[in-house]
Amino acid sequence: ELVLTQSPGTLSLSPGERATLSCRASQGVSSGYLAWYQQKPGQAPRLLISGVSRRATGIPDRFSGSGSGTDFTLTISRLEPEDFAVYYCQQFGDSPRALTFGGGTKVEIK
Amino acid sequence: QPHLVQSGAELKEPGASVKVSCQASGFTFTNYGFTWVRQAPGQGLEWMGWISPHNGAIVYAQNFQGRVAMTMDTSTTSVYMELRSLRSDDTAVYYCARGTSIAVAQDPWGQGTLVTVSS
Repeated sequence: ELVLTQSPGTLSLSPGERATLSCRASQGVSSGYLAWYQQKPGQAPRLLISGVSRRATGIPDRFSGSGSGTDFTLTISRLEPEDFAVYYCQQFGDSPRALTFGGGTKVEIK
Repeated sequence: QPHLVQSGAELKEPGASVKVSCQASGFTFTNYGFTWVRQAPGQGLEWMGWISPHNGAIVYAQNFQGRVAMTMDTSTTSVYMELRSLRSDDTAVYYCARGTSIAVAQDPWGQGTLVTVSS
């Protein structure tokens, strides 16, 4: 069973700083399916990144994704006030066939 | 543009069933599939399963096998998720989301439906 571990659990940063979020898979995964979502309180998740590094429509270029194999990273180059939220990674596993989410990283204002 | 609208909040007693709807608009319903995800209060996201009007595939997460049923109605461009034998730990916000296949990223998401299980 695929497990996604996100770190850190909480990231305390100031606006303008760089945020680096990690997502580690328990087994090698297809890069084509690694995605990142942003969720703000009381809202549904919003797709940021698919296929490791492809920004979704309307997502600003301060958001970037990278990685391969078992280690993936979401980087926010310069935090804007609206970026403080929880971020989840997601991957599809073959055995069993299931979508898995990481536990999330909360990016909070320092 | 693509849009998903879910049914309203539900209050159910333990042991009952709940059926949540998700109506799609702004795209060709039968070209896509839909994922169901839930989120318990203060917790992360949990995948429940996938249903595809495109090819008729239905896949349930192991944690929900035997207790969940996902259906669709192409005439109303809606998908449905029914969860049976509700327990207090089923209290959560339930989301539907569109995808091109079971494995790929989902976009957009519905607004969520709060299901509260309490006596």
